[in-house]
Amino acid sequence: DADVTQTPRNRITKTGKRIMLECSQTKGHDRMYWYRQDPGLGLRLIYYSFDVKDINKGEISDGYSVSRQAQAKFSLSLESAIPNQTALYFCATSGEDRGRRGEQFFGPGTRLTVL
Amino acid sequence: DAKTTQPPSMDCAEGRAANLPCNHSTISGNEYVYWYRQIHSQGPQYIIHGLKNNETNEMASLIITEDRKSSTLILPHATLRDTAVYYCIVRPFNAGGTSYGKLTFGQGTILTVHP
Repeated sequence: DADVTQTPRNRITKTGKRIMLECSQTKGHDRMYWYRQDPGLGLRLIYYSFDVKDINKGEISDGYSVSRQAQAKFSLSLESAIPNQTALYFCATSGEDRGRRGEQFFGPGTRLTVL
Repeated sequence: DAKTTQPPSMDCAEGRAANLPCNHSTISGNEYVYWYRQIHSQGPQYIIHGLKNNETNEMASLIITEDRKSSTLILPHATLRDTAVYYCIVRPFNAGGTSYGKLTFGQGTILTVHP
């Protein structure tokens, strides 16, 4: 079973709809992240959480909100979806940086299309 | 975070070494060099990281120049499955030994391995 799962994997929605993307992990990591990727570009950080009580904005948080329901779950919401939020969304996790490795483990991605 | 510069694309013949360069001329003393790759819209995958010494693992080698202003990722025997986008990232660690956790992705290098 995958360590980091994302649901749904694909979603088509309409402008103005509320959408929630969910991420779950079985790695026991404290840190979780949400990124988006637009075609031909690298990933950009939306929000990150270092533990259940710690939520931080990334570089492109406008139009998004998150909820860290438990250590293993981190959800991303689009309150009112707009077409330029069409993108590939990735969730990632990382654990305590023993040895300064700081590796992030990524989920398979959610492809979101807003019409 | 220091910015990185990578060539947009490179080709390599199967079985040959792939050498992917990265410039990070503004890197600070507390910043590590990380390499990730992304295979066809999958989640990015950690490859290797280093501070100032050359590093090798089962996937690749990382050569960092003495002045730390550039580095090269080496895939010693490239295969068709190594075709991917390769991201060079510099990432700070604080004095306490825990990372800031954020990865800043650029556009990366598209490596195409051909038969």
